[in-house]
Amino acid sequence: DQQVKQNSPSLSVQEGRISILNCDYTNSMFDYFLWYKKYPAEGPTFLISISSIKDKNEDGRFTVFLNKSAKHLSLHIVPSQPGDSAVYFCAASAVSGGADGLTFGKGTHLIIQP
Amino acid sequence: DAGITQSPRHKVTETGTPVTLRCHQTENHRYMYWYRQDPGHGLRLIHYSYGVKDTDKGEVSDGYSVSRSKTEDFLLTLESATSSQTSVYFCAISGLAGGETQYFGPGTRLLVL
Repeated sequence: DQQVKQNSPSLSVQEGRISILNCDYTNSMFDYFLWYKKYPAEGPTFLISISSIKDKNEDGRFTVFLNKSAKHLSLHIVPSQPGDSAVYFCAASAVSGGADGLTFGKGTHLIIQP
Repeated sequence: DAGITQSPRHKVTETGTPVTLRCHQTENHRYMYWYRQDPGHGLRLIHYSYGVKDTDKGEVSDGYSVSRSKTEDFLLTLESATSSQTSVYFCAISGLAGGETQYFGPGTRLLVL
């Protein structure tokens, strides 16, 4: 049973516009969420994170929003640039869960069109 | 970038042979992880370590073993490789347990024929 879901396998956005990537989770114990970006043949690169005590975290062009009641988070990229074309993974963990790793979604392939 | 290297970066092997993948870190982080990435599955945790000689199983641990004799090295062993273990393997490290960012290595692409 998937605990972290990214329901859009791919997303195409025009350069300069906003990209919105979505993620849903089912495990109520999750309280720390991360977004990773991955280029082909490279390891995932950490992008931004958010703790469940917040509902928004911003870092430059990237903003993550968390809606705990809906068990939903989203990543906004404004403005989108060609270098943003990559696969984006949503991941979650429980702070109290010890060292047992992150649970990942299946990823969304973001394509920025010129 | 976090100082994480993986070796080898690419490997082709035959069914039934043993394979060992190495993860080396220079960050002195306590926690280390092995994940595999397959199409349609995202990344899935194989094993993790919370200290020297301290390891535990993840979601997809069958057919894999690990060892950690030094803080900086975490080895993943496929005792008898099968075609279902063809995958891309990523090592990750973190300084704390839950609620902490994990940083990933560049990956090892393994093909089992």
